[in-house]
Amino acid sequence: GQNIDQPTEMTATEGAIVQINCTYQTSGFNGLFWYQQHAGEAPTFLSYNVLDGLEEKGRFSSFLSRSKGYSYLLLKELQMKDSASYLCAVRDRKDDKIIFGKGTRLHILP
Amino acid sequence: ETGVTQSPTHLIKTRGQQVTLRCSSQSGHNTVSWYQQALGQGPQFIFQYYREEENGRGNFPPRFSGLQFPNYSSELNVNALELDDSALYLCASSSTLSSADTQYFGPGTRLTVL
Repeated sequence: GQNIDQPTEMTATEGAIVQINCTYQTSGFNGLFWYQQHAGEAPTFLSYNVLDGLEEKGRFSSFLSRSKGYSYLLLKELQMKDSASYLCAVRDRKDDKIIFGKGTRLHILP
Repeated sequence: ETGVTQSPTHLIKTRGQQVTLRCSSQSGHNTVSWYQQALGQGPQFIFQYYREEENGRGNFPPRFSGLQFPNYSSELNVNALELDDSALYLCASSSTLSSADTQYFGPGTRLTVL
């Protein structure tokens, strides 16, 4: 089966750094996605990892360890607009479906 | 904006009714996936269409059905609506069936069942 775990909520301060963790179990791994979703809006793509290591894109970085079934999203220089839910999603190799976690609601304090 | 559009944006129905939601995929994308997102939850995969054929289905009953048209736009139909069907329905399009290409989401249709 498939299972994705991420913290329900996190709080951080404007200008700081926050790391959102995601662990997953899947019968056949074929890539991990991070999406950002503001309240009432559709998810927007942030990053994609299929090989181990760190992918950096501006203030956002995503890390993957396939052997540990683990990923994190690192957000630097936090801004108030980063207050949103962050969704971890895994593509299953067997049927190519993308399975989402429940999301982590990130609150940014001034 | 992703280029994926959905209609309508909001919809209110009563239990037992039927509903059709529509999605136009981004130009050049031939794969459309539909998701149901309840409040406070992540999107749940309903099914995926590739070149007008259903290609994969999540744990949803047969009263959830779909279509994809030659221009790759898609419909989601839900029969015999239940209260628990109230959710945000998202469609996402991508350019190839089995690749690293990511999905881009439309703005969603918020369905309320009374």
